[in-house]
Amino acid sequence: GESVGLHLPTLSVQEGDNSIINCAYSNSASDYFIWYKQESGKGPQFIIDIRSNMDKRQGQRVTVLLNKTVKHLSLQIAATQPGDSAVYFCAENSAGGTSYGKLTFGQGTILTVHP
Amino acid sequence: DSGVTQTPKHLITATGQRVTLRCSPRSGDLSVYWYQQSLDQGLQFLIQYYNGEERAKGNILERFSAQQFPDLHSELNLSSLELGDSALYFCASSPGNLNSPLHFGNGTRLTVT
Repeated sequence: GESVGLHLPTLSVQEGDNSIINCAYSNSASDYFIWYKQESGKGPQFIIDIRSNMDKRQGQRVTVLLNKTVKHLSLQIAATQPGDSAVYFCAENSAGGTSYGKLTFGQGTILTVHP
Repeated sequence: DSGVTQTPKHLITATGQRVTLRCSPRSGDLSVYWYQQSLDQGLQFLIQYYNGEERAKGNILERFSAQQFPDLHSELNLSSLELGDSALYFCASSPGNLNSPLHFGNGTRLTVT
């Protein structure tokens, strides 16, 4: 079936380093991708999104890269801070106009930032 | 603060019981979504409503139902509860008529004993 992401990996970095979180998706029909951050006890928080007609999008300290050829999505966080420690999820929408919010989530990546 | 409000935050109930989870979307959003988050299944889409009408369904059990009211708040009803229904239930909202981020509430943690 359709799936996004891999089993739950972990990433441990030092404060100030750049972090890269990766995600693989399987549905070539997906046209919209989102990265979420989830802290303990909270709901997923929107970080950045990208449409399939783009291959890169930048936000504040974050960049999302989309490689449709290999169905790969990555989130780059610059100058990672302890407050960035959380679980990061990629999500895709392959439902198109039938449901703009029917997202398929990856399993998540645990990011730990050490001071 | 996402602007999406969910109540209650915690719910503990017994097997066989029925519960109702409530969600108020962000101001201006017409669509609400329900997601379930469990340790073994991750975040799973359950159902979407748009302006009072059901728009899309995911792997929602027949024991579960939802509705969206004229004031756009939504309720998720879970009945004949089983131990395996223990999970976090999230509501999210968005404008619903274009690709845009979903904004999630902080969830309801349901524990079935």
